[in-house]
Amino acid sequence: DAMVIQNPRYQVTQFGKPVTLSCSQTLNHNVMYWYQQKSSQAPKLLFHYYDKDFNNEADTPDNFQSRRPNTSFCFLDIRSPGLGDTAMYLCATSRVFGAGVTGELFFGEGSRLTVL
Amino acid sequence: AQTVTQSQPEMSVQEAETVTLSCTYDTSESDYYLFWYKQPPSRQMILVIRQEAYKQQNATENRFSVNFQKAAKSFSLKISDSQLGDAAMYFCAYRSGGSQGNLIFGKGTKLSVKP
Repeated sequence: DAMVIQNPRYQVTQFGKPVTLSCSQTLNHNVMYWYQQKSSQAPKLLFHYYDKDFNNEADTPDNFQSRRPNTSFCFLDIRSPGLGDTAMYLCATSRVFGAGVTGELFFGEGSRLTVL
Repeated sequence: AQTVTQSQPEMSVQEAETVTLSCTYDTSESDYYLFWYKQPPSRQMILVIRQEAYKQQNATENRFSVNFQKAAKSFSLKISDSQLGDAAMYFCAYRSGGSQGNLIFGKGTKLSVKP
């Protein structure tokens, strides 16, 4: 089945130790998103790619970076994780709006990051 | 800027009963989409139902239906014949009709279903 796959599902890292989360999709969607979701909160958009064009949210810390080497893959790099970065990280995809496009986002199962 | 407000942090319903989750939003746009997403504990966020703003008819998906009041900027979700598997966090979300419109979430409503 076409889907959005995130790896790893669970990651524990030490304060300041870089971590990379990955996302792959078989939906061939143009747009890929990274959201941060802290406990009992709504997901917060970090950035998104429209094809290769990178769009950073204004309040996303510089500590967070992203790469999209091709249509199918997108990575979230946290260069020096702090305790406050403990969260679920959600990857999502969508098609660009157009005729017949209904606009929803398709989510992966998330990567739960714990920073010790 | 668009905002989405869910005023009920938690709700509870008896199995087989009906429950309504509230959502209001604020926007000056005319072209947009509204969604309800379900997020079970430690599980994937999945789409429950969507509504295009230009459609007057309320969307329905099996036991799930919405009451879309465009003038009032209200978008409530009704779950009929509630089942234990409906227990989850429910997020109301708004998306602009622009080509790269971001999904803006409300804070969510945690729904419990009592057997």
